[in-house]
Amino acid sequence: NAGVTQTPKFRVLKTGQSMTLLCAQDMNHEYMYWYRQDPGMGLRLIHYSVGEGTTAKGEVPDGYNVSRLKKQNFLLGLESAAPSQTSVYFCASRNPTYPYNEQFFGPGTRLTVL
Amino acid sequence: AQSVAQPEDQVNVAEGNPLTVKCTYSVSGNPYLFWYVQYPNRGLQFLLKYITGDNLVKGSYGFEAEFNKSQTSFHLKKPSALVSDSALYFCAVSRDYGGATNKLIFGTGTLLAVQP
Repeated sequence: NAGVTQTPKFRVLKTGQSMTLLCAQDMNHEYMYWYRQDPGMGLRLIHYSVGEGTTAKGEVPDGYNVSRLKKQNFLLGLESAAPSQTSVYFCASRNPTYPYNEQFFGPGTRLTVL
Repeated sequence: AQSVAQPEDQVNVAEGNPLTVKCTYSVSGNPYLFWYVQYPNRGLQFLLKYITGDNLVKGSYGFEAEFNKSQTSFHLKKPSALVSDSALYFCAVSRDYGGATNKLIFGTGTLLAVQP
């Protein structure tokens, strides 16, 4: 099993450009999450999904959109990138059988917006 | 509202000495508590969790954590630190919302530096 994978690993954008980050998981998990990690702030939830075709806002959703067209994939989009979106982005997935099941994380995408 | 505090940005310890990384939490109801570790340029890896029962939880790589309800703490411990334990450690909390999704709230992280 590859677990949770993310593409790309690195990306540099100019202000105003758009891009999509792809997350894929092969564990058949229903729940998927997108976080951003910034120094001194831990991980903050951007959006999440509890199943194919459903998405919901997290703590810091502004400037991002998501889609979950297939159960194994969760896409994070930036329509018009801003320097404040420079961050490391992590995707995670979880089996919701029990509310205390842990999340599995991908390796991250380091995004720089100039 | 749920919250997690990791009061130390960095913990320094000599190899072979015991280590403690502190975490306190605030949540209504019964908490689920987690520790994750992040090595440089890697994603987060699950270490251990507290659900209910025994207050001392054992996890991966020789780590353990002690749940203290009265002090609302969940400190991570290891009897003998290794240089390879050097990493960023995150504490996280959630609770059972009775069927709805439970979101993890993360602390700000503690950098553990183990000197040889």
